[in-house]
Amino acid sequence: DADVTQTPRNRITKTGKRIMLECSQTKGHDRMYWYRQDPGLGLRLIYYSFDVKDINKGEISDGYSVSRQAQAKFSLSLESAIPNQTALYFCATSDSLYATSYEQFFGPGTRLTVL
Amino acid sequence: TQLLEQSPQFLSIQEGENLTVYCNSSSVFSSLQWYRQEPGEGPVLLVTVVTGGEVKKLKRLTFQFGDARKDSSLHITAAQPGDTGLYLCAAYKGSGGSNYKLTFGKGTLLTVNP
Repeated sequence: DADVTQTPRNRITKTGKRIMLECSQTKGHDRMYWYRQDPGLGLRLIYYSFDVKDINKGEISDGYSVSRQAQAKFSLSLESAIPNQTALYFCATSDSLYATSYEQFFGPGTRLTVL
Repeated sequence: TQLLEQSPQFLSIQEGENLTVYCNSSSVFSSLQWYRQEPGEGPVLLVTVVTGGEVKKLKRLTFQFGDARKDSSLHITAAQPGDTGLYLCAAYKGSGGSNYKLTFGKGTLLTVNP
């Protein structure tokens, strides 16, 4: 089974709808992240969490919110989806114990289309 | 301003050719990483370089970190179709404090044709 899973893998929705993307991990890592990827723009950080009680905004948090329900679960919500939120969304994890490498492990992504 | 500039943005070559992609910045980094992303999947870490001037090899891939820790290169020898993918460089600016945030370049999309 994959260490980092994301649901759904694909979603098409309409403008104004509330959408939740979910991420679960079995790696036991304390740090979790949400990124979006757009063609030609690379990966941009939306939110990150160092533990269940620690939530921080990334560089493009407007229009998004997150919830860290448990160490293993980190969900991303779009309260009122708009077309320019159409993108590929990735969840990632890392382990604070390995500070020198800070390798991030990514899920398979969720392709979101907002019509 | 893009913190990490990758070049070229697109690269299409024939199997067996050599290639180099670059990751440049005006900032100094404590470490730099290279990831590869295949279609329909998330990025996967290839290597982390930490010391200025460091060279690491992973089979046919050679990674170099610049002496001033501002730039890096990835060289692939005798490219194969399985090397096709998006290559992303990513970096942390320092140690501790706010430097847990990984900044990504826009990537180099490599296509190796049989």
